[in-house]
Amino acid sequence: RKEVEQDPGPFNVPEGATVAFNCTYSNSASQSFFWYRQDCRKEPKLLMSVYSSGNEDGRFTAQLNRASQYISLLIRDSKLSDSATYLCAVIRKGSQGNLIFGKGTKLSVKP
Amino acid sequence: GAVVSQHPSRVICKSGTSVKIECRSLDFQATTMFWYRQFPKQSLMLMATSNEGSKATYEQGVEKDKFLINHASLTLSTLTVTSAHPEDSSFYICSLPGEIDADTQYFGPGTRLTVL
Repeated sequence: RKEVEQDPGPFNVPEGATVAFNCTYSNSASQSFFWYRQDCRKEPKLLMSVYSSGNEDGRFTAQLNRASQYISLLIRDSKLSDSATYLCAVIRKGSQGNLIFGKGTKLSVKP
Repeated sequence: GAVVSQHPSRVICKSGTSVKIECRSLDFQATTMFWYRQFPKQSLMLMATSNEGSKATYEQGVEKDKFLINHASLTLSTLTVTSAHPEDSSFYICSLPGEIDADTQYFGPGTRLTVL
């Protein structure tokens, strides 16, 4: 079982739709949590860090449930430019500080 | 502006040749740099951690004699893929932890390697 699991998708949604991505992590020693966005053939870019209290940045809302070892990302009013692959990532406590990524969920927003 | 540069961005080589990829920190000194690899439709997987002034630490299954890492200065780490084979074709990306917040990672733009 992979340490970070995501639904691979693809998610094909119309513009304006709300879409939710889920991610689970298996190592309870994970201490930091992130959502990254990766465009085709590019490096990942940090979308947001995820905190237990939940956090919001414009149309994007991230939630962390430590008890269930579950992370979510909600995108409201999706835009064409949101089309990308969304990667969930964690950093394990006591590690060298490297990110452990999920496989990513591909999102296609259609007009 | 960019915090991390990576060179080359793309390389195509023949099987059996060696390829060197450079990762440069442009804004601050980095004692640690990470090297990841991403195969098509797969996640980024850590290959090794490059440590300035000491040997790199490799993840399980990554051959240290095949993927040579040299972190000779606080701003430069190199990854050399020796005797490359078609199965080494992949997207190689370096990253470094932030100077103030180590959880913030700065990624290079990546190097796409194609071995014929």
